[in-house]
Amino acid sequence: AQSVTQLGSHVSVSEGALVLLRCNYSSSVPPYLFWYVQYPNQGLQLLLKYTSAATLVKGINGFEAEFKKSETSFHLTKPSAHMSDAAEYFCAVTSGGYQKVTFGTGTKLQVIP
Amino acid sequence: DSGVTQTPKHLITATGQRVTLRCSPRSGDLSVYWYQQSLDQGLQFLIQYYNGEERAKGNILERFSAQQFPDLHSELNLSSLELGDSALYFCASSVDKGGSDTQYFGPGTRLTVL
Repeated sequence: AQSVTQLGSHVSVSEGALVLLRCNYSSSVPPYLFWYVQYPNQGLQLLLKYTSAATLVKGINGFEAEFKKSETSFHLTKPSAHMSDAAEYFCAVTSGGYQKVTFGTGTKLQVIP
Repeated sequence: DSGVTQTPKHLITATGQRVTLRCSPRSGDLSVYWYQQSLDQGLQFLIQYYNGEERAKGNILERFSAQQFPDLHSELNLSSLELGDSALYFCASSVDKGGSDTQYFGPGTRLTVL
């Protein structure tokens, strides 16, 4: 079985501050991990994904995430928040093969000017 | 623009009715996924089709059904609608059967059941 937990349904940061969105996963086999972003009234868009290559994954819009097996974590970070980063972020996990992807409950990021 | 199209964008209907949501995947993608997003349940995987065949099933109600046609477009049929079925329904597509594939999401269909 696989699952993903996103800590904090709402996160607020000031513009220019560090963004840290937390994701912990559970998987019985080495996982594939994703971060998706959803802007209001839009579908989800892939930010980045981990597929067992480099543990530090760089994505679009300056985001990156680090896979830490010992902590079963895949936290999303961005050094400096921009107003346009305000959106909902979803962490997702799959064990590969033909297994379905399990999404977390999402974290809404608010950026304060 | 993800390349995935969904119609209609909005749908308002009454309890007990039946509706059909349509999805066209990105060119070349063989898998189609359906998701339901609501405030209380979050993003729930419903069902996946790969090249016309059902591949995986999630939390899909018996009142709901889907199919993928030879041209790879997919339809999600929702019947005997209840108030609780009001939600955003997303379709996504990917190149292959799943796993590490990136899923490309459509803009969604907002269903309101009155």
